[in-house]
Amino acid sequence: ETGVTQTPRHLVMGMTNKKSLKCEQHLGHNAMYWYKQSAKKPLELMFVYSLEERVENNSVPSRFSPECPNSSHLFLHLHTLQPEDSALYLCASSQEGNTIYFGEGSWLTVV
Amino acid sequence: QKEVEQDPGPLSVPEGAIVSLNCTYSNSAFQYFMWYRQYSRKGPELLMYTYSSGNKEDGRFTAQVDKSSKYISLFIRDSQPSDSATYLCAMSAIRGSNYKLTFGKGTLLTVNP
Repeated sequence: ETGVTQTPRHLVMGMTNKKSLKCEQHLGHNAMYWYKQSAKKPLELMFVYSLEERVENNSVPSRFSPECPNSSHLFLHLHTLQPEDSALYLCASSQEGNTIYFGEGSWLTVV
Repeated sequence: QKEVEQDPGPLSVPEGAIVSLNCTYSNSAFQYFMWYRQYSRKGPELLMYTYSSGNKEDGRFTAQVDKSSKYISLFIRDSQPSDSATYLCAMSAIRGSNYKLTFGKGTLLTVNP
């Protein structure tokens, strides 16, 4: 079992749908992250939660809504997405001051 | 100028070759440097972590940081087909709970048997 688990691994949704991505970390870390990875672009940091408090929101559109109910779980709620939002969404976690560890990602296709 | 520049490749080498992957950066505050390896359709996995200037070796992999030139490198000796992946450099200026990494775009490496 990997340290950071993401579900679903693949998701296809219409522009009017509402769906959620889920992330769970088993590493005892106190910070969790959402990153977006698009083709030919660097990884883009979306949100950071530290000790369950959102500490970073990198000008992400409101159609992406994160939720961190506890230090082990992180959600990304999706609604009224656009085709350009199709990408690999990566969850990651870290212990304060150390490097981050990624999950395997959720491939999102918006049709 | 982008904060981190990384040649996207693709880079194709024969098995057994020495591979050199590089990144340049503009932010002189960066002092933590990482290399991640990402296999196709998988998440990035941490390969090497270095702090400040110098070399760090781990098996066939050597990470090198030259802060004066704002240049970092990853060398792979005796490359294997299993090394075929995208290699991402990442760097940060700070430690702490607001840990943020700035990534390069990644270099796609193929090692041919």
